Amino acid sequence: KNEVEQSPQNLTAQEGEFITINCSYSVGISALHWLQQHPGGGIVSLFMLSSGKKKHGRLIATINIQEKHSSLHITASHPRDSAVYICAAAFFGNEKLTFGTGTRLTIIP
Amino acid sequence: DAGITQSPRHKVTETGTPVTLRCHQTENHRYMYWYRQDPGHGLRLIHYSYGVKDTDKGEVSDGYSVSRSKTEDFLLTLESATSSQTSVYFCAIRRSFWAAEGTEAFFGQGTRLTVV
Repeated sequence: KNEVEQSPQNLTAQEGEFITINCSYSVGISALHWLQQHPGGGIVSLFMLSSGKKKHGRLIATINIQEKHSSLHITASHPRDSAVYICAAAFFGNEKLTFGTGTRLTIIP
Repeated sequence: DAGITQSPRHKVTETGTPVTLRCHQTENHRYMYWYRQDPGHGLRLIHYSYGVKDTDKGEVSDGYSVSRSKTEDFLLTLESATSSQTSVYFCAIRRSFWAAEGTEAFFGQGTRLTVV
């Protein structure tokens, strides 16, 4: 069964802390996506990974294909990073995405 | 922002009435998707389209139909709305399929639908 799990569900941290959000999936994938959903509801695509690591500003996404695991890191976190972060997997043989339930991140000034 | 708009943004309707949500894009992207988002669930695919008049069902398609008569518009219809269809609906567009490198997805702002 194609499943995606995220942890933690909720995360509260102080401004400046290093943040890690985890995503694991059940079977082989062709791609893993990270999305950000703002408090107002809008969803923005952050990364698409099929291997290795990608970096954009203070955000870093990594994937370990053998362990079926991906992480999203935020360095020097800021209150504007407060949002729900969602991972989604494109499983082999299935062009549709399966979404995790999201991690709600709150950064306190 | 990418050229994708959903309408209406909010709607309250009565049980048993038909409802149509519209997704409009100006990006000329091939793939369009309708999702619903509910507490405790990830985004769930209702229907998607891979071209004009080419559509397919997602995992929660019962009670929904779609149409795509031109590239820029993807309509989602609730044929007879029920309270279980109260949700936030998102449209998404993408130039290629999900595993293709170098493309990103763009999401609409969402439509909050309440069925009373």
